[in-house]
Amino acid sequence: AQKVTQAQTEISVVEKEDVTLDCVYETRDTTYYLFWYKQPPSGELVFLIRRNSFDEQNEISGRYSWNFQKSTSSFNFTITASQVVDSAVYFCARLYSGGGADGLTFGKGTHLIIQP
Amino acid sequence: AAGVIQSPRHLIKEKRETATLKCYPIPRHDTVYWYQQGPGQDPQFLISFYEKMQSDKGSIPDRFSAQQFSDYHSELNMSSLELGDSALYFCASSLLNNEQFFGPGTRLTVL
Repeated sequence: AQKVTQAQTEISVVEKEDVTLDCVYETRDTTYYLFWYKQPPSGELVFLIRRNSFDEQNEISGRYSWNFQKSTSSFNFTITASQVVDSAVYFCARLYSGGGADGLTFGKGTHLIIQP
Repeated sequence: AAGVIQSPRHLIKEKRETATLKCYPIPRHDTVYWYQQGPGQDPQFLISFYEKMQSDKGSIPDRFSAQQFSDYHSELNMSSLELGDSALYFCASSLLNNEQFFGPGTRLTVL
């Protein structure tokens, strides 16, 4: 199976600090999609972003930004000026675009703790 | 905006019993997925349906089955429950190959 690796199990920072969550993926495919999901303590999975393998343009959405680099098979996520409400488990995931309704392969997740 | 609906939200069963989880996708979404998330684990893909036909299968035990009905809702049937089946079960829906939107999950506890 082609893995998604989130090497950081847990990160703890003080509010207002910037923090980057790393994601490295394996792929033998030319067409694939990458995602980030947030899982707050309440347990739901919240969609944050989707990128396809042909679009390496970085994206910014408010305090969130994503850096996609095919050369290093990485799709990192940065939160600028972190807030306590950002505390959650963040999952990186990939989807092989095989033409069917393929399931997501998730990384193990990074538990982000923002301390006030 | 309408979200994915899952019922029940919590379920407690005894070992060897059966359970049925229901999922109502976002209107006009043609694809439904089921995932299992054990405590402290990442979600594991179980099975998916596209236009009411089974599309992809992940690590779904033989004791589990699922189907998608004509109104696009889906049910996950779990038989001969084991302690290890205790987990959060998510349903997600999407348009094919687009972002998957997850329901709130059903927390299953097997005693």
